[in-house]
Amino acid sequence: KAGVTQTPRYLIKTRGQQVTLSCSPISGHRSVSWYQQTPGQGLQFLFEYFSETQRNKGNFPGRFSGRQFSNSRSEMNVSTLELGDSALYLCASSLSDLGSETQYFGPGTRLLVL
Amino acid sequence: AQSVTQPDIHITVSEGASLELRCNYSYGATPYLFWYVQSPGQGLQLLLKYFSGDTLVQGIKGFEAEFKRSQSSFNLRKPSVHWSDAAEYFCAVVNQAGTALIFGKGTTLSVSS
Repeated sequence: KAGVTQTPRYLIKTRGQQVTLSCSPISGHRSVSWYQQTPGQGLQFLFEYFSETQRNKGNFPGRFSGRQFSNSRSEMNVSTLELGDSALYLCASSLSDLGSETQYFGPGTRLLVL
Repeated sequence: AQSVTQPDIHITVSEGASLELRCNYSYGATPYLFWYVQSPGQGLQLLLKYFSGDTLVQGIKGFEAEFKRSQSSFNLRKPSVHWSDAAEYFCAVVNQAGTALIFGKGTTLSVSS
């Protein structure tokens, strides 16, 4: 079974631009979560989608948004990019609630904002 | 608020020596706990998890972890470290909503020959 895939793997943008990252979960997984990883803040939860609905959101500004499609694939969007948005963005999928399931992570998209 | 603390930022261990990485959590109920490993430039790979039952959990690559409720700890151990174990290790707990992982800051493991 294929793992979680993320595209693109690397991205360079300039301040003020917007970016869209894509995530394809493991087949059959309906929950997709996004995390931001930076050297200073570590791994921080962005949001989680289940059956096209956002169920939980972390403490990030409204410039960060996401969505999930009917096939469980997910995208996240960051508008008006800032230098501090440079990070590794990780997507993770699970069958359903984490209370009884495990999240499996993709390789990440490394975003550099210049 | 829930939190995870990994007290050691960086640890160096000789190849063949034993390893213990510390993790303390803050959570009112029975926690769901995980250890993940991340190699440079890679995503996170699950090493092991604790949901309930036996407090000593076996994982992949020869790792194990012990859940101690009285100490709010979930320390990761390996009896004999290999050079390929050099990586960053993250301890995590599921949030109360069951929809996100709360991670510690990570411990970087270096292995010396």
